[in-house]
Amino acid sequence: QVQLQESGPGLVKPSETLSLTCTVSGGSIGSYYWSWIRQPPGKGLEWIGYIDYSGSANYSPSLKSRVFISVDTSKNQFSLKVRFVTAADTAVYYCARRVEAYDAFDIWGQGTLVTVSS
Amino acid sequence: QSVVTQPPSASGTPGQRVTISCSGSNSNIGSNTINWYQQLPGTAPKLLIYSNNQRPSGVPDRFSGSKSGTSASLAISGLQSEDEADYYCAAWDDGLNDYVFGTGTKVTVL
Repeated sequence: QVQLQESGPGLVKPSETLSLTCTVSGGSIGSYYWSWIRQPPGKGLEWIGYIDYSGSANYSPSLKSRVFISVDTSKNQFSLKVRFVTAADTAVYYCARRVEAYDAFDIWGQGTLVTVSS
Repeated sequence: QSVVTQPPSASGTPGQRVTISCSGSNSNIGSNTINWYQQLPGTAPKLLIYSNNQRPSGVPDRFSGSKSGTSASLAISGLQSEDEADYYCAAWDDGLNDYVFGTGTKVTVL
């Protein structure tokens, strides 16, 4: 059974870079797309982007200029970097597996809260 | 603001049928399949319906989805207390080149 687990700092200073990693266990990172989605406290879900095992990525236009997603198949991990963060980037960040055939996210990590504050 | 809108809340008593609407446009719901996610309090979202009306393994058949034109709906029949959650519709938007989630609907079991 595939499971996802986010990891990374829970506090980031304004203007710095937010970095998170998602570890995939119970299955290979190949053959799927791997995504990041976030949810500000008390608000709705926002898609950030996704990447496949070969490193081909697609980003939300609203975040594209500040976001980078990478994959490390040797470690069965993929990562997220968000540059120049502000308080508006404070959110629970989820990693999820995307099933291309349905364009749906079928497996999610538990999420990790990242707060942007000095 | 999301380009896909849902009513902020819906409610019903145990055993009732509740329907949640999801309204979009030709570039998202009108062109692509819609998925529904259930988010129980304090937990990660869970895929509830995919490809408009398909249930993943393990999802009770009390949950059903439909789509017509630029709108979709999720129905919960035989409402149970454990169905109290936030529900989000979602679809790819060809015009925005973005995956858009609906605004979300909080379902309360009275």
